[in-house]
Amino acid sequence: EIVLTQSPGTLSLSPGERATLSCRASQSVTSSSLAWYQQKPGQAPRLLIYGASTRATGIPVRFSGSGSGTDFTLTISRLEPEDFAVYYCQQYGSSVTFGPGTKVDIK
Amino acid sequence: QVQLVESGGGVVQPGRSLRLSCSASGFTFSTYAIHWVRQTPGKGLEWVAVISSDGYNEYYAGSVKGRFTISRDNSKNTLYLQMNSLRAEDTALYYCARGGTWWYFDLWGRGTLVTVSS
Repeated sequence: EIVLTQSPGTLSLSPGERATLSCRASQSVTSSSLAWYQQKPGQAPRLLIYGASTRATGIPVRFSGSGSGTDFTLTISRLEPEDFAVYYCQQYGSSVTFGPGTKVDIK
Repeated sequence: QVQLVESGGGVVQPGRSLRLSCSASGFTFSTYAIHWVRQTPGKGLEWVAVISSDGYNEYYAGSVKGRFTISRDNSKNTLYLQMNSLRAEDTALYYCARGGTWWYFDLWGRGTLVTVSS
């Protein structure tokens, strides 16, 4: 099983700042089969990025994904008030596993 | 409106059974693989099972294999999860989620809560 580790556990930032979230896999993720989700309290996860770098339908351009192999990054260029949430990475190259999440909260 | 709506959750004793349903609307249900994913505060998000669009192929997480059965009725736009021999560690919020050729999830329901407790 591919284990995903996300860092940091919590990121405290102000609106307008840049957020950089990391997802590291215990082994190489096949074909960059990595997705990112946003989850707000009481809501289901929302797909942001798939294929490591492709934005899902309707996702603002301030969200971008990068990386390959075992190291992946989600970047939010300028935080909007609605971006404060928990972010999960997920690999789907070998079955499916999720990371434990990074909480982005307001500083 | 494109949506998935889960139902059937509740409180059940260990060893008993429960069946979850997921009703789809607003898209062509029969052309998508559909998954069950569960979430707990302690273990986070855990993939449970998937069924192919035509219902002929199923895959399960090791933690539920042999106890849970995923099925679908494309004439009713509905997905099911039959959960037998339930354990305390099956307590979670269960989501159905739409997949595709690749197993990422572009549409999720709001979830149904299953609590296994005596």
